Amino acid sequence: GEDVEQSLFLSVREGDSSVINCTYTDSSSTYLYWYKQEPGAGLQLLTYIFSNMDMKQDQRLTVRLNKKDKHLSLRIADTQTGDSAIYFCAETLNGSGNTGKLIFGQGTTLQVKP
Amino acid sequence: DGGITQSPKYLFRKEGQNVTLSCEQNLNHDAMYWYRQDPGQGLRLIYYSQIVNDFQKGDIAEGYSVSREKKESFPLTVTSAQKNPTAFYLCASSLDSNYGYTFGSGTRLTVV
Repeated sequence: GEDVEQSLFLSVREGDSSVINCTYTDSSSTYLYWYKQEPGAGLQLLTYIFSNMDMKQDQRLTVRLNKKDKHLSLRIADTQTGDSAIYFCAETLNGSGNTGKLIFGQGTTLQVKP
Repeated sequence: DGGITQSPKYLFRKEGQNVTLSCEQNLNHDAMYWYRQDPGQGLRLIYYSQIVNDFQKGDIAEGYSVSREKKESFPLTVTSAQKNPTAFYLCASSLDSNYGYTFGSGTRLTVV
């Protein structure tokens, strides 16, 4: 079945790079997403990557996609205390009856220490 | 400004009572979704609707009900049949799966 897996927790020092990893199962996913959730708030779309790309960079964020291994990563350069949040990976679920549905991972809590 | 609004932000309910959570969007999105979030469990899909007057059960629909009478609105009712209703509830909408979801700010429901 469809599943998205993430590690639950990552702790880094301010100024270091953070790398959050995700594995997914649906090889027909067209887009893969990274969302950020701050405490008590909804999810905010951070970035996304189309399945025919292997890398996308957006300021401090770098997304890498390895389709062969079904592995997605999010690198945050020069991590700041304001980056402390839960990060969710999500894939589009294709196939009959599933158009438009996203499957989310469990979320990775990023703790940034000053 | 376009967006998706959930109300109220905090809600308290006595055991045995039904309660309705509001979700309204002015983004002209066709699809709307309700998720439940519990600590350490990520997001679990309750119900979703891809068009007005139609909706489908998600992974944990038991004890919940929805309606989609208008494109802008997708209210969720938590019934007394839901065994563990205390959770953070998130509503989302999407124009197309290729654009991801836009989320509301959530409603925290506590059963007292």
